[in-house]
Amino acid sequence: EDQVTQSPEALRLQEGESSSLNCSYTVSGLRGLFWYRQDPGKGPEFLFTLYSAGEEKEKERLKATLTKKESFLHITAPKPEDSATYLCAVQVLESDKIIFGKGTRLHILP
Amino acid sequence: DAGVIQSPRHEVTEMGQEVTLRCKPISGHDYLFWYRQTMMRGLELLIYFNNNVPIDDSGMPEDRFSAKMPNASFSTLKIQPSEPRDSAVYFCASRDTGLGETQYFGPGTRLLVL
Repeated sequence: EDQVTQSPEALRLQEGESSSLNCSYTVSGLRGLFWYRQDPGKGPEFLFTLYSAGEEKEKERLKATLTKKESFLHITAPKPEDSATYLCAVQVLESDKIIFGKGTRLHILP
Repeated sequence: DAGVIQSPRHEVTEMGQEVTLRCKPISGHDYLFWYRQTMMRGLELLIYFNNNVPIDDSGMPEDRFSAKMPNASFSTLKIQPSEPRDSAVYFCASRDTGLGETQYFGPGTRLLVL
């Protein structure tokens, strides 16, 4: 069965303290892996799409990487405004569906 | 671009009442997805359409749920009769195949069934 598991469930960091969020996936074949950010009371906001192992994408303090079994979202020198829930999702080959993980709730303390 | 538009943003109703949620996808997008989000189960796909045609409704919980897409710019998700366990946030998302696989989400409808 296709699965997406995110860890940790929640993470508290001091401002400037870099860390990484993990997304492990088990799928029959990967078509794409997505990272979204979700703020309270809002819909998920698209961050990155990764398609193949070894691929990396960056946006401001965020960098997403992909291997054959997992993806990492690296957060460098985070600021309080980076506080949000980060969702990982995978799309399986030959499918239009996206399977979401439960997310990591990130809280950056000033 | 206005993005995906959903209405209402909040809905409070009593058990047994009919609830209709509405979605306007991004203009030009050919796919539309309906999701439900709860703390326990996260984001779950309910149904999706391609060019206004329902493709997969295997995520619809039961016959009380139905969805339609009468044209490219409008879709509805209806719950009749509603039950307290339907309380959740319902999201609509759309995608343009020509631009890749990325789905863009609306702000959601927060539904509370008393």
